[in-house]
Amino acid sequence: EIVMTQSPATLSVSPGERATLSCRASQSVSSNLAWYQQKPGQAPRLLIYGAYNRVTGIPARFSGSGSGTEFTLTISSLQSEDFAVYYCQQYNDWPPWTFGQGTKVEI
Amino acid sequence: QVQLQESGPGLVKPSETLSLTCTVSVGSIWNSNTYSWDWLRQPPGKGLEWIGSIYYTGKFYYSPSQKSRVTISADTSKNQFSLKLISVTAADTAVYYCARRTDGSQRGWFDPWGPGTLVTVS
Repeated sequence: EIVMTQSPATLSVSPGERATLSCRASQSVSSNLAWYQQKPGQAPRLLIYGAYNRVTGIPARFSGSGSGTEFTLTISSLQSEDFAVYYCQQYNDWPPWTFGQGTKVEI
Repeated sequence: QVQLQESGPGLVKPSETLSLTCTVSVGSIWNSNTYSWDWLRQPPGKGLEWIGSIYYTGKFYYSPSQKSRVTISADTSKNQFSLKLISVTAADTAVYYCARRTDGSQRGWFDPWGPGTLVTVS
């Protein structure tokens, strides 16, 4: 089973600032990685797939990068609606499909 | 636009069986080999855990950690798929989500998701 590790657990950022979230895989997942955003009381929402492909309708301030075992989600200028928990998920080696433990982006 | 909705009891007693159904709107869950239909869960305050998948062929995958207790099935006439988890304990208390997974080479992301349903084992 591939273990996904996200850091930091909590990221404190001011509106308008840049946020950089990290995700590490226990073995290479190539570019088979997705990012999700989850707000309190809501289901996760897909933001990025294939490590860097933004889903239609996701603002350009969200960008993904990386391959192999190291990945980054960058939010270039945080808006109030971006404060949430973010999860990475690998789909290179399955089952199981596995998620990181999440990074909470807080004000 | 595909939408998913979970339904089922919100309270289950320890040692009993948790049963949930996911209803898919728009289209048929049986007419495409592009997708699988999956169950995931999230214990309160914790992260996401994949439970299992079912495909239009009837093929399925289960999480190794849940394999002995899980059954996923589908009702083609109602465009629904279901989760059964036997012998539940308090550790099975979670929000349960159904989701569509895009399948295939270099694919495997979950989108869309149902809103989730909280199941408490007590």
